[in-house]
Amino acid sequence: EVQLVESGGGLVQPGGSLRLSCAASGFTFSSYWMHWVRQAPGKGLVWVSRINSDGSSTSYADSVKGRFTISRDNAKNTLYLQMNSLRAEDTAVYYCARESAKFYYMDVWGKGTTVTVSS
Amino acid sequence: DIQMTQSPSSLSASVGDRVTITCQASQDISNYLNWYQQKPGKAPKLLIYDASNLETGVPSRFSGSGSGTDFTFTISSLQPEDIATYYCQQYDNLLWTFGQGTKVEIK
Repeated sequence: EVQLVESGGGLVQPGGSLRLSCAASGFTFSSYWMHWVRQAPGKGLVWVSRINSDGSSTSYADSVKGRFTISRDNAKNTLYLQMNSLRAEDTAVYYCARESAKFYYMDVWGKGTTVTVSS
Repeated sequence: DIQMTQSPSSLSASVGDRVTITCQASQDISNYLNWYQQKPGKAPKLLIYDASNLETGVPSRFSGSGSGTDFTFTISSLQPEDIATYYCQQYDNLLWTFGQGTKVEIK
């Protein structure tokens, strides 16, 4: 079964750091581009970041550029999001998602992990 | 950056009604537009890709059209299980953007 499982969320103080992980299974992880998408409580989906299949190319939403870093370990079938200088507005459910091999859409999503930034 | 303007933000319709949601891009995105459905507490699910292509396994009452800057998503006959929030999403070479979402409710 194709599956993505996020972990690493939790409560962190403003200015703090957190690293999210996304464990992939059931497909050849190293062949796919991957994304992070977040959703603040009661709000809409916001694209956060994207990484290519070998990790050599990344892109970020302006709201997280310079603070967040996406990376991957293809040997461990795991995607990461390092989040630094966290702000209250970063509070959200963070989803990892797989980009389709053929088209530009996200075809597999995890269930999400919750990040709360509060003092 | 490309901005997506989705409307309406919410709507209420009766079972069997035709429901239409629009999404406007701030610049030409060709047909690089997808539609997702999200039910409460769940991850999003792809319904339509490349503006008008129905994802495998998605009921045919869902459809999409448009190109350039103006796109439309339609549910031809609203069913109770369609209660959800729907999002458009565009992609360019580097940045992806979602619309604000449309919450669909049963009248």
